[in-house]
Amino acid sequence: SQQGEEDPQALSIQEGENATMNCSYKTSINNLQWYRQNSGRGLVHLILIRSNEREKHSGRLRVTLDTSKKSSSLLITASRAADTASYFCATDAWNQGGKLIFGQGTELSVKP
Amino acid sequence: GAGVSQSPSNKVTEKGKDVELRCDPISGHTALYWYRQSLGQGLEFLIYFQGNSAPDKSGLPSDRFSAERTGGSVSTLTIQRTQQEDSAVYLCASSLYGRGTSGEKLFFGSGTQLSVL
Repeated sequence: SQQGEEDPQALSIQEGENATMNCSYKTSINNLQWYRQNSGRGLVHLILIRSNEREKHSGRLRVTLDTSKKSSSLLITASRAADTASYFCATDAWNQGGKLIFGQGTELSVKP
Repeated sequence: GAGVSQSPSNKVTEKGKDVELRCDPISGHTALYWYRQSLGQGLEFLIYFQGNSAPDKSGLPSDRFSAERTGGSVSTLTIQRTQQEDSAVYLCASSLYGRGTSGEKLFFGSGTQLSVL
């Protein structure tokens, strides 16, 4: 079964609002990554957070990691219509042999 | 090349036919991954190649699916006797080392949309 589960499955907000997406996972991880997918095709890496980190920032993105709760969140501040996409978390765990396992994704719609 | 290249971008086939999907990873990347994404769903891991190690085939859904990686570069995913449930976007990704603990990011191709009629 997939390691990561995201919620919500879909999120609709207005431009300028913040968007928060959550990811939960089952086993201990080395690191967790977030990816973005436009139009159901290739994914683009956004940000990586390691298991010994609690928070990371990149531009309007903020990622948190709580290893005690086995969860992560991705916050997009001051959202724009161009942020409309699907967002996936991906885990790299000790028992996964080096491969990334992706969650089901959150579909974000930002209305102008 | 500059990025991961997949071909064809779209493939329509009839049930029962065999198909081959191709992936050209970024030059120098030793790790290559195949994932499958059904409509509106997440990514399902299929197979993972790293260097000269035996591939991790644990995600292949049936023996109709196979993949090769020749010369440590180009990979071909073959689906024999295609079924309608094989319809999906097949995504290929590569990374430099693929050892996981280095926290490498994956670079994805644009995928092949497979439709089985």
